[in-house]
Amino acid sequence: KNEVEQSPQNLTAQEGEFITINCSYSVGISALHWLQQHPGGGIVSLFMLSSGKKKHGRLIATINIQEKHSSLHITASHPRDSAVYICAVIPNTGNQFYFGTGTSLTVIP
Amino acid sequence: GAVVSQHPSWVICKSGTSVKIECRSLDFQATTMFWYRQFPKQSLMLMATSNEGSKATYEQGVEKDKFLINHASLTLSTLTVTSAHPEDSSFYICRTLAGLYNEQFFGPGTRLTVL
Repeated sequence: KNEVEQSPQNLTAQEGEFITINCSYSVGISALHWLQQHPGGGIVSLFMLSSGKKKHGRLIATINIQEKHSSLHITASHPRDSAVYICAVIPNTGNQFYFGTGTSLTVIP
Repeated sequence: GAVVSQHPSWVICKSGTSVKIECRSLDFQATTMFWYRQFPKQSLMLMATSNEGSKATYEQGVEKDKFLINHASLTLSTLTVTSAHPEDSSFYICRTLAGLYNEQFFGPGTRLTVL
């Protein structure tokens, strides 16, 4: 059983659409990260959350600690947003990451 | 901001050779480095955790004699894949922490192809 589940696995959207990616986890955490992995493979940390909501440009991330759930939203999606988005949690017990399997997003012009 | 570099970004080698992958923190000290492997369409799998000046801690199922990790300085950690085989072909990524809030930084990754 994976400690972190993401949905959907694959997502295709038209440019301009509002996108939501969901993440559920089963362990107590100290923080949750949303990561972006482009086709070349490099990974960038988009957000680190321990509560509430964060916004950066067109990206919004929310977390509900009680429900063990987080969402990543992309407003006015653009083809350059096409990437794999990975949810990762750091459990209370240490600095290890538990990774979700990722959501592959393709935004069509 | 803090940057982590990896070298090489890609490498193709013959079966049986050894390949060294370097992970450098460019403007901060990385006490702890995590090494991951990622197969196509799969999530990152932790291979080992290294702390500067001490032996690496390997995850279950990862052969420490095959995947040699050296973390001799606060800015450099290396992963050497010894006697590489085609099944070692993968994307290898390092990760470290920095700053008061343990901000996460990933290296850009190294794609290894063993022929």
